Amino acid sequence: EAGVAQSPRYKIIEKRQSVAFWCNPISGHATLYWYQQILGQGPKLLIQFQNNGVVDDSQLPKDRFSAERLKGVDSTLKIQPAKLEDSAVYLCASSLVGGGRQETQYFGPGTRLLVL
Amino acid sequence: AQSVTQLGSHVSVSEGALVLLRCNYSSSVPPYLFWYVQYPNQGLQLLLKYTSAATLVKGINGFEAEFKKSETSFHLTKPSAHMSDAAEYFCAVSSSDKLIFGTGTRLQVFP
Repeated sequence: EAGVAQSPRYKIIEKRQSVAFWCNPISGHATLYWYQQILGQGPKLLIQFQNNGVVDDSQLPKDRFSAERLKGVDSTLKIQPAKLEDSAVYLCASSLVGGGRQETQYFGPGTRLLVL
Repeated sequence: AQSVTQLGSHVSVSEGALVLLRCNYSSSVPPYLFWYVQYPNQGLQLLLKYTSAATLVKGINGFEAEFKKSETSFHLTKPSAHMSDAAEYFCAVSSSDKLIFGTGTRLQVFP
């Protein structure tokens, strides 16, 4: 079974530029998560989708970050304009159903973003 | 609100020695707890999870963790470290279906 796929793996941009990350979850997984992992910290949830609806985006900086999951499968996370403090690894995860505290989340390899 | 605290950002052991990574949690409801491992330039991989069944949970790669309610702890152990265990380890607690992660412990294994 294929895991969670993410692209690109690495991205270097200058501040004020825009960038987009793509995620393809495990086939059949209804719930998709985007996490931000800053160096030296644990991952922090940015947004959670259940199928193509947003369940939780309370930690998403909506003035510059946006995300969509149009057909309930793939998802895109965008940053526009980027700031230096957005340098981090962006992790995508998926789970089969969602809504269950004991459900396992499966993570992709992440996209490492460096903003200069 | 749920949270986890990982004591020790870096742990170093010799190959063959006991591995002990500490995690304490805070939760207003019975917790569900997870340990994930992250190898360099990779995503997170689930090691094990506690879901209120057995208090001693066995995971992959010889790791296990014991849930101790009286100590609000969920420490990760492995009897004998291997070089391939060198990685970053994250403890997490589930809040709704959102994971709250600790800051991680980097494990170094020396030959």
